[in-house]
Amino acid sequence: NAGVTQTPKFQVLKTGQSMTLQCAQDMNHEYMSWYRQDPGMGLRLIHYSVGAGITDQGEVPNGYNVSRSTTEDFPLRLLSAAPSQTSVYFCASSLRTGNYGYTFGSGTRLTVV
Amino acid sequence: AQSVTQPDIHITVSEGASLELRCNYSYGATPYLFWYVQSPGQGLQLLLKYFSGDTLVQGIKGFEAEFKRSQSSFNLRKPSVHWSDAAEYFCAVGAVNTGNQFYFGTGTSLTVIP
Repeated sequence: NAGVTQTPKFQVLKTGQSMTLQCAQDMNHEYMSWYRQDPGMGLRLIHYSVGAGITDQGEVPNGYNVSRSTTEDFPLRLLSAAPSQTSVYFCASSLRTGNYGYTFGSGTRLTVV
Repeated sequence: AQSVTQPDIHITVSEGASLELRCNYSYGATPYLFWYVQSPGQGLQLLLKYFSGDTLVQGIKGFEAEFKRSQSSFNLRKPSVHWSDAAEYFCAVGAVNTGNQFYFGTGTSLTVIP
């Protein structure tokens, strides 16, 4: 069982570039979410999805888009990268909601220069 | 809205010593409470969770946590720490009625001295 797979593990972008962070899970989890982790700030929710075709904003959604066309995949798109988006990004999935306990991917370390 | 506070940014303990990591939450009703561990360069792993019932919860890797409603706390404990326990620990709280409101603390970094 692969669990939650994130790609790439590392990425450097120039300001203004766009990119997509990939996330896939093979546990048939309904709930998927994206968090960013910054020093001293814990994890903050960017976007989440309660099922295929349904997405919603979290605490810090600006500058990011998501879609959920299948149960397995939940990509995160950076529309126009900014240095403030330098962070470590984690995808997490859960059976129904975060209250069931998350399974996390190993993260993507993104640097925007 | 609920929130969670981890008062200790960094803790150092000797191998074999006992450990207690503090977590305080703010929520109007009984929350869902969690502890996660993050090893360097890795994602977070669920250690244990509390929903209801027995206030002392057992988790993986020999960890336990106790829910104390009167103190709004959910402290993580381990009787004897191993060098491999060195990591970042996160407390998290979720709302009872909607799982979409879920908040992590800022984390406590644990160093274990041989």
